[in-house]
Amino acid sequence: AQKVTQAQTEISVVEKEDVTLDCVYETRDTTYYLFWYKQPPSGELVFLIRRNSFDEQNEISGRYSWNFQKSTSSFNFTITASQVVDSAVYFCALSGKYNFNKFYFGSGTKLNVKP
Amino acid sequence: DTAVSQTPKYLVTQMGNDKSIKCEQNLGHDTMYWYKQDSKKFLKIMFSYNNKELIINETVPNRFSPKSPDKAHLNLHINSLELGDSAVYFCASSLTGNNQPQHFGDGTRLSIL
Repeated sequence: AQKVTQAQTEISVVEKEDVTLDCVYETRDTTYYLFWYKQPPSGELVFLIRRNSFDEQNEISGRYSWNFQKSTSSFNFTITASQVVDSAVYFCALSGKYNFNKFYFGSGTKLNVKP
Repeated sequence: DTAVSQTPKYLVTQMGNDKSIKCEQNLGHDTMYWYKQDSKKFLKIMFSYNNKELIINETVPNRFSPKSPDKAHLNLHINSLELGDSAVYFCASSLTGNNQPQHFGDGTRLSIL
């Protein structure tokens, strides 16, 4: 079974604080793919990153970084020096090797960044 | 320039009516999807088409019928609308392959009175 858990329902931080959004996944596939999406208050879903299960290198893109750890089945997302524009709902998703493009989304974490 | 476009953006209608939502993508993708996002923001796959063929059909009432006239279009028709159908419906597209990111439209907010 495929499953994604985002235990943090809502997080509030003050601008310039660092914040980490947790994502824990379950899968029996040996090859799988993990994704993060951002849904700002305007409602659209924006693709942020994809990670393959065989590539455990962490990735940094500007203020965003992702920490993939197979040992703990986690793919956490850190925003450094958060800004008000980072306020959004963030979704983690999992796609297995054999389920033909089907994404399993977590329930999302709402991030509030206050000025 | 819009990559995945859905129309209409808002849909307000009475219970029992029939309505359609259209989706078009200009990304050259061969797989398209419909998702439902409920009031708690939970995203649930409804259907997926690959090259006009139905690939994923989750447990969705048969009042919902997708139609894919070609690879670039996936429409959703809903018969006999019910209060519980109120949600945001997202269309998405991708290339074939489980490693391919899905690109979403802006969503259609359906409100049933």
